[in-house]
Amino acid sequence: EIVLTQSPGTLSLSPGERATLSCRASQNVSSYLAWYQQKPGQAPRLLIYGASNRATGIPDRFSGTGSGTDFTLTISGLDPEDFAVYYCQQYGSSWTFGQGTKVEIK
Amino acid sequence: QVQLQESGPGLVKPSETLSLTCTASGGSISTYYWSWIRQPPGKGLEWIGYIHYSGNTNYNPSLKSRVTISVDTSKNQFSLKLNSVTAADTAVYYCARSKSSTSRSSFDYWGQGILVIVSS
Repeated sequence: EIVLTQSPGTLSLSPGERATLSCRASQNVSSYLAWYQQKPGQAPRLLIYGASNRATGIPDRFSGTGSGTDFTLTISGLDPEDFAVYYCQQYGSSWTFGQGTKVEIK
Repeated sequence: QVQLQESGPGLVKPSETLSLTCTASGGSISTYYWSWIRQPPGKGLEWIGYIHYSGNTNYNPSLKSRVTISVDTSKNQFSLKLNSVTAADTAVYYCARSKSSTSRSSFDYWGQGILVIVSS
């Protein structure tokens, strides 16, 4: 099973700041990597697929980079609605999720 | 706009079978791949398995011995059965659609989730 390790566990930032989230895979997943945002009591929402493609309706302040085993989600300027938990997911070999990074208001 | 809705009992006794149904509206289930994903309270996400409208299935190896996913295209529904449940199966269960028509895909539509508690 491919294990995804997300860092940091928690990111404390202020609105307007840049957020950089990391996801590392235990094996090569090529570009089969997605990012999701989850708010309390809600289902996850797809942000990025194919490592760098924004899903429909996702603001361009969200961007994804990486391939192979190292991936990054960047939020270029945090909007108050962006404070949430973010998960990465690989679909290169079966499907697994990272443990999540919480982006909280500093 | 595809909408997914989970339904089923919110409380299941230990050792019994958890049964949930996902109803799709706004689009046909006769394409794409359809998955079940769960999230224990306060924890991360775990993929359970998928089904294709053709009946092709794939399950998480850690749950494979206890899971069955089936599809009813006439009702635009697919279902999950998880047997011999324990407290560790307590979770919010989500149904979700693959973004592409291949099995190798992210999930672009999700149900709202249903909390299932395993307790006597």
